[in-house]
Amino acid sequence: GAGVSQSPRYKVAKRGQDVALRCDPISGHVSLFWYQQALGQGPEFLTYFQNEAQLDKSGLPSDRFFAERPEGSVSTLKIQRTQQEDSAVYLCASSSTGMRGYGYTFGSGTRLTVV
Amino acid sequence: GENVEQHPSTLSVQEGDSAVIKCTYSDSASNYFPWYKQELGKRPQLIIDIRSNVGEKKDQRIAVTLNKTAKHFSLHITETQPEDSAVYFCAAPPDKLIFGTGTRLQVFP
Repeated sequence: GAGVSQSPRYKVAKRGQDVALRCDPISGHVSLFWYQQALGQGPEFLTYFQNEAQLDKSGLPSDRFFAERPEGSVSTLKIQRTQQEDSAVYLCASSSTGMRGYGYTFGSGTRLTVV
Repeated sequence: GENVEQHPSTLSVQEGDSAVIKCTYSDSASNYFPWYKQELGKRPQLIIDIRSNVGEKKDQRIAVTLNKTAKHFSLHITETQPEDSAVYFCAAPPDKLIFGTGTRLQVFP
């Protein structure tokens, strides 16, 4: 596609509910990143995929967070038993050049509100 | 791991004035320094970047300077316009982008 596509654009979840956020990267981009951006803050790294391999998940805040990219293209970030502190914008970025920061293109994000 | 500090957190300038935002980083292995602009409710967009083998890069009204010895880099916007109003983030690798906390720039007409 022309850009990084994320869905849904907005998600309201009741505390304790499970959610799944989708990212469709730019076609051919091997690297995919998830970031969490709390209100008024900079994006915080969550996890990184190179093709289908999850090479870095050091930023996932707890074992309630799980990400996958089974076929090396679309990725899903799943949050189990959501809590209020999970409310944030979840940004996905893809790159053709690997981890070192070059050539990131961000999606518009999913705004998650846990009530 | 990498730590990126950004100052100031807010900056208000009159249209036509210059704006400067500074960032420091901790990991000497970092070799790429991008700046992103994020308008309210929108995605971060890359506006300029610099690699460690140069000290300065300019693109029209925007420039970035890098001091590797001191581990800091700065964004310079000249002749500011109201449409420059946004939140600006610096970032540094070495292996994944670590973002600063952001600077909210307001340009008053």
